[in-house]
Amino acid sequence: QKEVEQNSGPLSVPEGAIASLNCTYSDRGSQSFFWYRQYSGKSPELIMSIYSNGDKEDGRFTAQLNKASQYVSLLIRDSQPSDSATYLCAAQTGKLIFGQGTTLQVKP
Amino acid sequence: NAGVTQTPKFQVLKTGQSMTLQCAQDMNHNSMYWYRQDPGMGLRLIYYSASEGTTDKGEVPNGYNVSRLNKREFSLRLESAAPSQTSVYFCASSVSGVSGANVLTFGAGSRLTVL
Repeated sequence: QKEVEQNSGPLSVPEGAIASLNCTYSDRGSQSFFWYRQYSGKSPELIMSIYSNGDKEDGRFTAQLNKASQYVSLLIRDSQPSDSATYLCAAQTGKLIFGQGTTLQVKP
Repeated sequence: NAGVTQTPKFQVLKTGQSMTLQCAQDMNHNSMYWYRQDPGMGLRLIYYSASEGTTDKGEVPNGYNVSRLNKREFSLRLESAAPSQTSVYFCASSVSGVSGANVLTFGAGSRLTVL
């Protein structure tokens, strides 16, 4: 079992909808969690970090963390075609471990 | 400000050949990392260096060696390349130590093909 699991998708949503991306992790000692966005052929870039239970909002993005359920999610409101990318979830226990990524397609 | 610079961007090797991927960062970061990315596998950690003078194995270290030459530079060496090492390699750095909250800055990637 991978330490960080994501549904590889693709997840397809219409423009303007809410995209919901999910991630589970196996190590209860994980303290910090990150969402990176990666466009095709490019390197990953950080979009959100979350360290405590609850929600964290940044513009159209909301990260949610539930340590009891070992679950992290990313909501993208008012999805735009420019949000089409692969979203990588990462959990830190000492070193940083990534999930396999979820491909999001936003259709105009 | 260049950030994280990787060389080469592309490389084709024959099985058994050796090569070194170079990485340098100009952000005065303590920690540096090498990841590989294969389709459907996400990013897998090969080796990391929490600080100058230290290196540790990640998830997939077999077939690789690393050198943290100084605070700026972290190289990845393939001693005898195998087709299974065909991948995109990313170097990254972060300001915190490994036990802190890491925000990684990535290089542009190096695409390696082993025939």
